[in-house]
Amino acid sequence: YELTQPPSVSVSPGQTARITCSGDALPKQFVYWYQQKPGQAPVLLIYKDTQRPTGIPERFSGSGSGSTVTLTISGVQAEDEADYWCQSADTSGVHWVFGGGTKLTV
Amino acid sequence: QVQLVQSGAEVKKPGASVNVSCKASGYRFTSYYMYWLRQAPGQRLEWMGLINAGTGYTKYSQNFQDRISITRDSSANTAYMELSSLRFEDTAMYFCARGFLIGSGLYGGAYWGQGALVIVSS
Repeated sequence: YELTQPPSVSVSPGQTARITCSGDALPKQFVYWYQQKPGQAPVLLIYKDTQRPTGIPERFSGSGSGSTVTLTISGVQAEDEADYWCQSADTSGVHWVFGGGTKLTV
Repeated sequence: QVQLVQSGAEVKKPGASVNVSCKASGYRFTSYYMYWLRQAPGQRLEWMGLINAGTGYTKYSQNFQDRISITRDSSANTAYMELSSLRFEDTAMYFCARGFLIGSGLYGGAYWGQGALVIVSS
């Protein structure tokens, strides 16, 4: 199945950025969010819909219900400029599915 | 700390095979899945398959079913991904990613390797 993200989001420093991810199967599986800067590997920002791994700043948060979830970045900083990917899994929980990615411009 | 170190860049001719390695450290290798993904230039991440590093059980994406093999050497804490019958469109960055504890019900990439660029060119 597919996950849908907006291709781009643009905010000024200090503002709040919200990136959505939509998919019919989202209510059945957890969502994960990654940040990827040019030439680098993705970094896990959010797992299990809302949980933040150790070391990820509190300004990153995940929320949502039903078929749409949201990554919120509060007090956006210049260093947050990157691509953001949402990921979930199929009904078996094994096969990962990614959204098309959102380029955040600060 | 958890580290995944992948092998270096490769240039291959169409029809050849490529083998990418992923050496893990900083955790109990056999307690986690290792996933393989790729990302073509400017494209989204694509899931290729996984291996249960404890049992060796594998699961592959149907997109690569006939061309991919994922293995591991538990004694060396290393996972391998071989892709055969390479095509021009296989040019991409290939990543390994360690998942969450097997049995946790979580299916995401907690830690990622640095990536290995594979270029398919005649």
